[in-house]
Amino acid sequence: NAGVTQTPKFQVLKTGQSMTLQCAQDMNHNSMYWYRQDPGMGLRLIYYSASEGTTDKGEVPNGYNVSRLNKREFSLRLESAAPSQTSVYFCASRVSRTGEAFFGQGTRLTVV
Amino acid sequence: TQLLEQSPQFLSIQEGENLTVYCNSSSVFSSLQWYRQEPGEGPVLLVTVVTGGEVKKLKRLTFQFGDARKDSSLHITAAQPGDTGLYLCAGEGSGGSNYKLTFGKGTLLTVNP
Repeated sequence: NAGVTQTPKFQVLKTGQSMTLQCAQDMNHNSMYWYRQDPGMGLRLIYYSASEGTTDKGEVPNGYNVSRLNKREFSLRLESAAPSQTSVYFCASRVSRTGEAFFGQGTRLTVV
Repeated sequence: TQLLEQSPQFLSIQEGENLTVYCNSSSVFSSLQWYRQEPGEGPVLLVTVVTGGEVKKLKRLTFQFGDARKDSSLHITAAQPGDTGLYLCAGEGSGGSNYKLTFGKGTLLTVNP
């Protein structure tokens, strides 16, 4: 099983550029999540989708948008990248509320 | 916002020592999970606790959920170098915060041979 697949793995953007981070899961999970991880900050929730067709803001949603394209796919878009968005981004999915969150390998994004 | 405070932030110990890390909040959580993360990888689940006062054991690791479901601890007995990693607690709220899984900042554990 592939589990949770994120693309790309690495990306360098210039300030003001836009990009979309892709995430797909093949486990038929209902809930999907986007986190960012910065040194000393743990994982901070950007957006989540409890089920297909719904999305909600997390702790740090400013500067980001998301799309739950279908049950498998949950994308994260940066419309106008800023250096403060330099981070490692993780996508995760869960089958249920108390279920294990399965994570992708992460996308390391640098904004210069 | 439901904040999870973890302590200590860093812990460096010798092989064979015991240790406890803590996860505290002012909010009630419907469930709490502990994850372990290694460099360059995503976090991997260790345990889920749901009931207040619950204690779960996973080999040398003991997890406890507070009676009021606001705090949790992870105790490692006779730590080994393979236990080195970032330990994260994660909680899901109740009511309007259903499905919102938030993480603490983590405890970075180094076990020296």
